[in-house]
Amino acid sequence: DAKTTQPTSMDCAEGRAANLPCNHSTISGNEYVYWYRQIHSQGPQYIIHGLKNNETNEMASLIITEDRKSSTLILPHATLRDTAVYYCIVRVTSIIQGAQKLVFGQGTRLTINP
Amino acid sequence: GAGVSQSPSNKVTEKGKDVELRCDPISGHTALYWYRQSLGQGLEFLIYFQGNSAPDKSGLPSDRFSAERTGGSVSTLTIQRTQQEDSAVYLCASTLFMGRRSDTQYFGPGTRLTVL
Repeated sequence: DAKTTQPTSMDCAEGRAANLPCNHSTISGNEYVYWYRQIHSQGPQYIIHGLKNNETNEMASLIITEDRKSSTLILPHATLRDTAVYYCIVRVTSIIQGAQKLVFGQGTRLTINP
Repeated sequence: GAGVSQSPSNKVTEKGKDVELRCDPISGHTALYWYRQSLGQGLEFLIYFQGNSAPDKSGLPSDRFSAERTGGSVSTLTIQRTQQEDSAVYLCASTLFMGRRSDTQYFGPGTRLTVL
């Protein structure tokens, strides 16, 4: 799976949009961009994923650049409960049966301030 | 619907004791993963079950670790003769799969194991 680069930490004011960048310059054409987050002492939580089109769900929006070498996760109205470590992962899912082991990098520690 | 559930949420045991950790995947999910996460560390893959196929045990750190999945649903991870280095959060994830291009893994809350 392609390597990703994220800032170590970010701060955002409550109620504002939190924009978390991720660089994945070596991404290949069949690799998806996934975002998970992990709130302290909880299991990882799936947020969103995409291939090349921008995606939006009830939690967030994912903006992928046209060359797919970077993406941005947007939390439109951040709340204190969004304080967590956010992980950007790129991975391919093979049609061959086998474990698709998730590997998290260091992620971005996002702190939402009141 | 209900997410992945795990029990117990916390387990404190003495060195040398055996422990069993349980995972209930999302109903209908065919694939199940066990990971563990030590304090401040990333995910460490342990074992993977998919349908009736032989499990991928390549991540189990020693023969003290074993897991089974009965009836294609509930899974139990067993650690025999626990050691202090086994202390970690044990996470279970399930996914709908297979043959699809993007299969999202949904995680349970984890079991925090502390070996004294």
